[in-house]
Amino acid sequence: DTAVSQTPKYLVTQMGNDKSIKCEQNLGHDTMYWYKQDSKKFLKIMFSYNNKELIINETVPNRFSPKSPDKAHLNLHINSLELGDSAVYFCASSQGRQGNTEAFFGQGTRLTVV
Amino acid sequence: SQKIEQNSEALNIQEGKTATLTCNYTNYSPAYLQWYRQDPGRGPVFLLLIRENEKEKRKERLKVTFDTTLKQSLFHITASQPADSATYLCALERYGGSQGNLIFGKGTKLSVKP
Repeated sequence: DTAVSQTPKYLVTQMGNDKSIKCEQNLGHDTMYWYKQDSKKFLKIMFSYNNKELIINETVPNRFSPKSPDKAHLNLHINSLELGDSAVYFCASSQGRQGNTEAFFGQGTRLTVV
Repeated sequence: SQKIEQNSEALNIQEGKTATLTCNYTNYSPAYLQWYRQDPGRGPVFLLLIRENEKEKRKERLKVTFDTTLKQSLFHITASQPADSATYLCALERYGGSQGNLIFGKGTKLSVKP
């Protein structure tokens, strides 16, 4: 039973296109995140949502828009894709409370913009 | 802003030896620090959490120390095995109000040779 699942696993698309990545967690966690891992393997937080509310937006271009229809889902929509958006995007969830932020990660979505 | 440094990008050791990985941080001292393991093509997996009032934490062959004076955590794997080969990430909890999120170091790639 997958705890955090994200789709698709691979996404190849052309510059300028709009794409979405979906994420769902069945752990009952209050907080969900999107992380970006670049070619140098640095894992950087993009967004944090708690109970469908945006908590953190880490200087991410406006082309990236997270959407949380309920606390079990956090989708990432990207407009006007650029070459530099190529990376692995990870969804994660946690309880989010102080001292209890052990994060559970999805398998990642490898986005390639050509 | 908070900086996290994992001193070695890569560490090669012989099977059976103890691997020691270092994580240093600047600015404020976090109340909690976590270690994760990441295998190629997978999301990070939580290993251990240590609190600021805990000097040491153990789990099977893993040991983590937390020195708030030195602003450093050490991660040890004793009796290392080739299966321990992976990238190990340290992460600090950061708070916006009561909600936490994780800031990751760049990771150390451990290779254990038979």
